[in-house]
This record gives sequence, structure tokens and C-alpha cells, in this order.
Amino acid sequence: DSGVTQTPKHLITATGQRVTLRCSPRSGDLSVYWYQQSLDQGLQFLIQYYNGEERAKGNILERFSAQQFPDLHSELNLSSLELGDSALYFCASSPHGSYNEQFFGPGTRLTVL
Amino acid sequence: AQSVTQPDIHITVSEGASLELRCNYSYGATPYLFWYVQSPGQGLQLLLKYFSGDTLVQGIKGFEAEFKRSQSSFNLRKPSVHWSDAAEYFCAVAYTNAGKSTFGDGTTLTVKP
Repeated sequence: DSGVTQTPKHLITATGQRVTLRCSPRSGDLSVYWYQQSLDQGLQFLIQYYNGEERAKGNILERFSAQQFPDLHSELNLSSLELGDSALYFCASSPHGSYNEQFFGPGTRLTVL
Repeated sequence: AQSVTQPDIHITVSEGASLELRCNYSYGATPYLFWYVQSPGQGLQLLLKYFSGDTLVQGIKGFEAEFKRSQSSFNLRKPSVHWSDAAEYFCAVAYTNAGKSTFGDGTTLTVKP
């Protein structure tokens, strides 16, 4: 158990809908990262937050957004969902900046029908 | 831009045989290097990391990796593979002056009985 929790574990929804994925980092960790993992794209970095502020952006679509709250939990919002958004979404946390090892949550499996 | 290359998409070894997974990184600064393992249906777990000092690092589950600056490599090794080592392995690199870590595309390890 990494100490990172993600909810929900599974999510099934329809095209065009909007969903919110939630992540609670390890106690004391200030950075939260979001990744998308799919069979054809592999593990793709989406975005990083550090102590409430956006720190780095990767291959995140405009339909996707994220935020980190004062209690350091984070949410990833996915809107206007398409079939291709079906994937595993991982959250990871680290104590400080990007040079720390990351601790990964178990992931949320999103299925868009 | 920083990048990580794992040249082998898929490797098959016999149980009890030795293993080496390759990882090459590209960037000019001193890197922080990591190997993660992902078992089917699980999140990523840190195997080992290199920050500085001894270039041969020991990790969990009997794995080790050697940092070779001249070759920009950080190859993962294990002297005797167990069936439970079958998983996907990711190499990652981070820098203090960059906003995010970069992950390789992963190497899938299959272990033959």
C-alpha cells in the first residue's frame, strides 16, 4: 500500500459526459501527479501540482482539467468524454518537487461507452 | 527536452536466468533515475533510485541498477529471475531544474517456467 488513495476504482460512463476522479496523496506529500495509461499510448504524464499550484503540464487535453485543494487532495475533471478517453488514470504523489520518487495510487479505470 | 528510451518493448527469460533491462536517458544535467515495476492491474511501485554517490544501487526484490554517465544508461539487472517478476518495468528520469519526471515506454517481462 503506497498511501495514495484514488476514488472511484472503476467508472463507466457514456460519450459526451463529464467525470471527476479524486486523489488523496500520502500524508505530508506536497506534489500530486496525474497520468493516463492506455494500451496504445502507454503511460502519459498529464499534469503536476505542487502545494496547490500547477507545476508542470504534459499531454493533457483541453477537455481535461485538474486542481489541488488546500488539504492537498486533487481532482481530475474529464469532460466531453470520447471513446478514446477509456484508460487507467493514475495519481502519484511525492514529498517535494519532481526529483523525488513518486508513490502511485491503484488507479481509476475509466470506460467510456 | 528530456527523454527516456527503453529499447526493449518485450523480453522473455527463463526462470532462474539472469535479466538485464536497458534504459537510456538524454539531457545534459545530472539526472535522478528510477526504476518502477507494474504488476497486472496494479499501480507502479518503486524498485530503486539513483540520486548520487555509488553508481551501483540496490533495490527491492533482489534488483540492482548501474548508472553509467558515459553511456547515459541506467540498466536494471537481476541475477536470477523468479516467475513473480513477470510485470512491466518503467525507467524514469527527473531533474531539479525541470518541472516533471519523464517515464520510458516500459518493458514487459515474461518469465518462462
